[in-house]
Amino acid sequence: SQQGEEDPQALSIQEGENATMNCSYKTSINNLQWYRQNSGRGLVHLILIRSNEREKHSGRLRVTLDTSKKSSSLLITASRAADTASYFCATSRAGNNRKLIWGLGTSLAVNP
Amino acid sequence: NAGVTQTPKFQVLKTGQSMTLQCAQDMNHEYMSWYRQDPGMGLRLIHYSVGAGITDQGEVPNGYNVSRSTTEDFPLRLLSAAPSQTSVYFCASCTGPNTEAFFGQGTRLTVV
Repeated sequence: SQQGEEDPQALSIQEGENATMNCSYKTSINNLQWYRQNSGRGLVHLILIRSNEREKHSGRLRVTLDTSKKSSSLLITASRAADTASYFCATSRAGNNRKLIWGLGTSLAVNP
Repeated sequence: NAGVTQTPKFQVLKTGQSMTLQCAQDMNHEYMSWYRQDPGMGLRLIHYSVGAGITDQGEVPNGYNVSRSTTEDFPLRLLSAAPSQTSVYFCASCTGPNTEAFFGQGTRLTVV
């Protein structure tokens, strides 16, 4: 079963705006990862945040993790049309970390 | 580096036929996984391997077999294809359970 749940399911914004996506999960985790998938392609890793970290940055990406609320957010600043993709969170469960548990994804459309 | 290579990219099978989806990685990763991706379902784990000679079932293993005779290769076998196995299949590899996963470009399989 899918542990992660992203919201919103779909998001449409204009170029230059910020996009925020959220991921909630149910059990304690070792880490949480965000991936991007362009249409018809494989997934590409964006950021990994460990359970003892609260925030990480990578270029225009900012990820936060709130383990008390069992949630994470991915912020893309100054979005570009090339950011149009689906974004997935995946968690590595504490105590049983052989598998990644995937959310259903947020579909982001950035309009020029 | 080729990364994770999947073949074929597209395949059409008749119900009852068998086939093998190939996956190879050249990063010396111990962990390899097979997922299927269906609309609205996200990624579902079929089988995974934590090293050569070791495989285990994921969420949806029925109708699929795997083997891991070498570190590099992790083929997925469909024993008797069914229309319910129409999907996009992704192979992924990583160094360990808490690390970045690298994905192949996917195999789009249609069973008629």
